[in-house]
Amino acid sequence: KNEVEQSPQNLTAQEGEFITINCSYSVGISALHWLQQHPGGGIVSLFMLSSGKKKHGRLIATINIQEKHSSLHITASHPRDSAVYICAASRRNTDKLIFGTGTRLQVFP
Amino acid sequence: GAVVSQHPSWVICKSGTSVKIECRSLDFQATTMFWYRQFPKQSLMLMATSNEGSKATYEQGVEKDKFLINHASLTLSTLTVTSAHPEDSSFYICSASRFRDMAGPQHFGDGTRLSIL
Repeated sequence: KNEVEQSPQNLTAQEGEFITINCSYSVGISALHWLQQHPGGGIVSLFMLSSGKKKHGRLIATINIQEKHSSLHITASHPRDSAVYICAASRRNTDKLIFGTGTRLQVFP
Repeated sequence: GAVVSQHPSWVICKSGTSVKIECRSLDFQATTMFWYRQFPKQSLMLMATSNEGSKATYEQGVEKDKFLINHASLTLSTLTVTSAHPEDSSFYICSASRFRDMAGPQHFGDGTRLSIL
């Protein structure tokens, strides 16, 4: 079993829909990252959080440390949001990143 | 801010060739740079961590002599794939951080797609 699990693996949505991507982890962490990988391969760091909730534009990330779970929400989704979203946990003590396998999101107009 | 430039974005070369990939932090000083490898539809795998002025720390299973990493300045790290073979074909991504090790946010380059014929 992977130490960082994401669901769903694939997600399709209609423009405007509210999107939720989930991430569960089984290790102690110092922080959790959400990354966005575009079709060309480039990666953008969206959030780094260790507690609570962060918001940036239409993106919201939450984390529940007790439940070892994080969610990434996209409000009013748009075709340009189509990408692979990757959850990565910073392992406590070493801070090494453990990556999830990603969620491939396609938003159709 | 926090822009990382990776070059080249795409390389095709013959087996046996050595290929150098550059990773530059354009608007900040990168205390630490990371090199990742990604196979199709798989997650990123950390290959090595490099701190400016010191030897890179390689992950288990990554050949140091095969993947040479140099982090000569606070804005530049290079990965050289020596005597590349078809099995080295992959997507290589660098990231840079202002912080030592993995304590802070990482800023990623756009990646280099390497194809060895």
